[in-house]
Amino acid sequence: EAGVAQSPRYKIIEKRQSVAFWCNPISGHATLYWYQQILGQGPKLLIQFQNNGVVDDSQLPKDRFSAERLKGVDSTLKIQPAKLEDSAVYLCASSPSGLGEQYFGPGTRLTVT
Amino acid sequence: TQLLEQSPQFLSIQEGENLTVYCNSSSVFSSLQWYRQEPGEGPVLLVTVVTGGEVKKLKRLTFQFGDARKDSSLHITAAQPGDTGLYLCAGEGGAGSYQLTFGKGTKLSVIP
Repeated sequence: EAGVAQSPRYKIIEKRQSVAFWCNPISGHATLYWYQQILGQGPKLLIQFQNNGVVDDSQLPKDRFSAERLKGVDSTLKIQPAKLEDSAVYLCASSPSGLGEQYFGPGTRLTVT
Repeated sequence: TQLLEQSPQFLSIQEGENLTVYCNSSSVFSSLQWYRQEPGEGPVLLVTVVTGGEVKKLKRLTFQFGDARKDSSLHITAAQPGDTGLYLCAGEGGAGSYQLTFGKGTKLSVIP
């Protein structure tokens, strides 16, 4: 069974530029999560989707971050414009339902200069 | 805000030694998960503990959930270099939420 796929793996941009990340969850998983992991910290949930609907986006900085999950399968996370403090690894995870084990992708390491 | 405090933050030991890492909170969780994360990869689930006082063993790893379901520990016996990584605990179901709240992790280095 294929795992969670993410691209790109690495991205370097200048502040005020825009960037987008892509995630393809495990086939059949209804729930998809985006996390931000700053160096030296644990993952912090940004947004949770159930199929193509948003369950929780309370920690998403909506003035600059947006995410969508069209058709309830893959998802994109966008940052526009980026700030230096957005430098982090962005992890995508999926689960069959909203409970229990989450399966993580390898992450996208973003560096904002 | 629910917080999970993990200690120690860093741990460097020789191959063959034993170690324990801790995960503490003031919140009650319906379950607690332990993940291991290697550099450049996402976290991978090791175990889920659900019942207060529960002990689970996974080869040389022993996980315990506190009686009050607020804290947990991970004990590794005879550590090996392959155990090197970031160990994260994550609480589920605190304060009526089904989300996972992650600790900052314990970075373990096992020196051959």
